[in-house]
Amino acid sequence: AQTVTQSQPEMSVQEAETVTLSCTYDTSESDYYLFWYKQPPSRQMILVIRQEAYKQQNATENRFSVNFQKAAKSFSLKISDSQLGDAAMYFCAYSSNAGNNRKLIWGLGTSLAVNP
Amino acid sequence: DTAVSQTPKYLVTQMGNDKSIKCEQNLGHDTMYWYKQDSKKFLKIMFSYNNKELIINETVPNRFSPKSPDKAHLNLHINSLELGDSAVYFCASSQDPRWLAGVKETQYFGPGTRLLVL
Repeated sequence: AQTVTQSQPEMSVQEAETVTLSCTYDTSESDYYLFWYKQPPSRQMILVIRQEAYKQQNATENRFSVNFQKAAKSFSLKISDSQLGDAAMYFCAYSSNAGNNRKLIWGLGTSLAVNP
Repeated sequence: DTAVSQTPKYLVTQMGNDKSIKCEQNLGHDTMYWYKQDSKKFLKIMFSYNNKELIINETVPNRFSPKSPDKAHLNLHINSLELGDSAVYFCASSQDPRWLAGVKETQYFGPGTRLLVL
């Protein structure tokens, strides 16, 4: 069974600095997707960035980028130039691209505080 | 123009009552989901429907019954509410990419419904 592990329950960063959130996963599949979701205090889940496993190039979305290491099964999120609005829970998630199994497997989340 | 909407946003009720949470998506997606997020932030899938058919049914008490009148709606009815049902319930939708080349699998979440059982 696939699992997703986020080993950092809490992180903090100074405004304008860079922070990296860790995520590792376990799977025997070769075709899958990885995601980072943000959950601000409003509780809404917002997709931050996604990565297809077959792509070697790391995904980027403005100030957000990932370091995808397929062999190591690692998928970390880097937030550059951190802003106060980045403070939230961040969830790493995995989704198989095989068969009928479309559900996301979630990590337990990392709470990110941004200090002014 | 909200993509995935849920009502109500907050729900406070007594133990033993029956309540429903509604979800609607205007993205034209085929698949919808219900998740439960407990007080420790753990997000657990409960149900998934594809074109009004149940495709995922995790180990959830029979008191929880999803209903999908059409593929844009997935409602969650809970009978005989218990204290342990207190949580935030998220609805989500996605477009299944198995036969749509190039479509990326992404789930879009609603704002959540905070349920408090007293």
